[in-house]
Order: sequence, then C-alpha cells, then structure tokens
Amino acid sequence: AQKITQTQPGMFVQEKEAVTLDCTYDTSDPSYGLFWYKQPSSGEMIFLIYQGSYDQQNATEGRYSLNFQKARKSANLVISASQLGDSAMYFCAMREGRGTGNQFYFGTGTSLTVIP
Amino acid sequence: DAGVTQSPTHLIKTRGQQVTLRCSPKSGHDTVSWYQQALGQGPQFIFQYYEEEERQRGNFPDRFSGHQFPNYSSELNVNALLLGDSALYLCASSWTAMSEKLFFGSGTQLSVL
Repeated sequence: AQKITQTQPGMFVQEKEAVTLDCTYDTSDPSYGLFWYKQPSSGEMIFLIYQGSYDQQNATEGRYSLNFQKARKSANLVISASQLGDSAMYFCAMREGRGTGNQFYFGTGTSLTVIP
Repeated sequence: DAGVTQSPTHLIKTRGQQVTLRCSPKSGHDTVSWYQQALGQGPQFIFQYYEEEERQRGNFPDRFSGHQFPNYSSELNVNALLLGDSALYLCASSWTAMSEKLFFGSGTQLSVL
C-alpha cells in the first residue's frame, strides 16, 4: 500500500482565491509527522508546513494551513490568497516514528497552476 | 548563509559507467540524506549519513553507495549505471538525524544514455 496518496495530478486556481490540495496517508505507527513541500521548476524542495501526529491543532504557516483529520488519515494543504508565484509542484510527505532518521515517504505530487 | 549545495547540476553518462554526486549541507547541519526523484514521481529515500556512517537505507541496491566526510559534506556513488537510474538526485540536510525539518538542494539531474 502507498504510504502517501495524492489524487490530484493537476489543479488550477484563480489568483487571490484559496485552493486545497489533497493528501491521504497510511501508517500503523501512532507517532508520525506530516509535511508539505513545494518544488518549483528549479528543482529545490521548499519546506512549507509540518503537522505532528499528536498535535491537537492544525498547523499554520502564513498563507499555508494544514487540515489534519486524523481519523480519516488526511492532511490536506490549504493555500489562501493564491499568488502567481505559488505555481509549482506540491508534495505531501510523511515520516514515521521517533528517532527513525530522515526517511520521508513522498506522494506523487500535485501540479498547481495559478491563473491571473 | 549558504543553503544545501549540490554539484554538478547536470550530468550525462552511459550505461555501465560510474558516477559521483556531491553535496555540501547547510551551515550548522550534520546529517545528510539522499533522495532519487524519477520524472513525474515523488522523491524516494536512498540513505542517510550521520557522524560519517550510513544510518538508514531505503530500498536501493548496493550499486548505490555513499560517504560522509568530517566536514559533513557527502558523496553519492552509483556503479554500473542503468537507464533506469536517470533521475533528479536530491540531497537534504538537517541538524541531527531526527530533525523534523529537511533542507533540500536543487539536485543533480543525471541522464543515463
């Protein structure tokens, strides 16, 4: 089974509108972390936001928020007030356990295009 | 403050050859991980180095090997290249092996002909 599933290969959003990128995960470990990264055409993976499995509140970082629904095993990224510079690939990722190093499991990504 | 730097940015090799990719971690970081990203896919974990030792390894054959130097920089070596090794190779660094936040470089694009 896939550890991380992103079902939206491509998404379009109007500038200044909000957009939600979907992510579901699969793990039996009670301790895990969920991440979102942005990958522009330059190739660099840019960290956006992190949610720990024991965190009670949804994570927020500026225009980014993570809609964490533990029972449904979903960790959707919400981008508010989209900007042209938000056009990029977005990857959801998970790290299982504590003290298990940096093995992140990534999804296949969602290509976001912001339309002027 | 320099981020994660990788060299070279692009590389073309032929089947059967060997290749070495290099990575300098972000200043203050002591752990380096390597990921392979095939076209249209998410990155896949190759291995992680901490204190000059391989600490964790993903599902990659022994043709993939690495090294970490005392200054925390790292090399990824791939022997007997296959066409399927063509990918973007990303290096990520963090402070300690259990850091929640990885900083990635821009990658080395390897093409195997």
